[in-house]
Amino acid sequence: DSGVTQTPKHLITATGQRVTLRCSPRSGDLSVYWYQQSLDQGLQFLIQYYNGEERAKGNILERFSAQQFPDLHSELNLSSLELGDSALYFCASSVCSDCGYGYTFGSGTRLTVV
Amino acid sequence: GIQVEQSPPDLILQEGANSTLRCNFSDSVNNLQWFHQNPWGQLINLFYIPSGTKQNGRLSATTVATERYSLLYISSSQTTDSGVYFCAGRKTNFGNEKLTFGTGTRLTIIP
Repeated sequence: DSGVTQTPKHLITATGQRVTLRCSPRSGDLSVYWYQQSLDQGLQFLIQYYNGEERAKGNILERFSAQQFPDLHSELNLSSLELGDSALYFCASSVCSDCGYGYTFGSGTRLTVV
Repeated sequence: GIQVEQSPPDLILQEGANSTLRCNFSDSVNNLQWFHQNPWGQLINLFYIPSGTKQNGRLSATTVATERYSLLYISSSQTTDSGVYFCAGRKTNFGNEKLTFGTGTRLTIIP
């Protein structure tokens, strides 16, 4: 157990639907990062939050949004889902905003859009 | 943003063999990490190594920051070493701190 908890582990949904992925960071970590891993795009950075505030943005679609709550857990919302959104979604956490140590990944949420 | 190239893309070895994986960066980075993704999909942080050499058991890593590359050494390979190895780097600009991943080296250890 890495200490980063992601739920659900698997999700199957239809095109056009909306889903919410949840991430609880490791105790004491203030930063949460979201990544998408697909077969053709590899691991792509989506967005980072640090202590409740958005810190960095990557290739995140407008249909996707995220937030970090006061208890530091984060949610990634995916809407108007398309077949191409099927992927493994990871979150990672670290204690600071720009530290390489203690960068820990959760076990991921596998999203299948049918 | 920076580009990260990993080589080789695939590597198949017999158990007990040694291997060297390479990671090249298009620009200097001040945050460089190696990860292992096991066959179940779990991503494990192996090393944080922006420069110098580190060792952890049978694994070691060396980063030559001035020449923008890093090497991961695996000695006496075991079947549990199978999976995909990623390097990732970040050139910190305040407000744009994303970690960019390479496409990975898929390592298969045959018993």
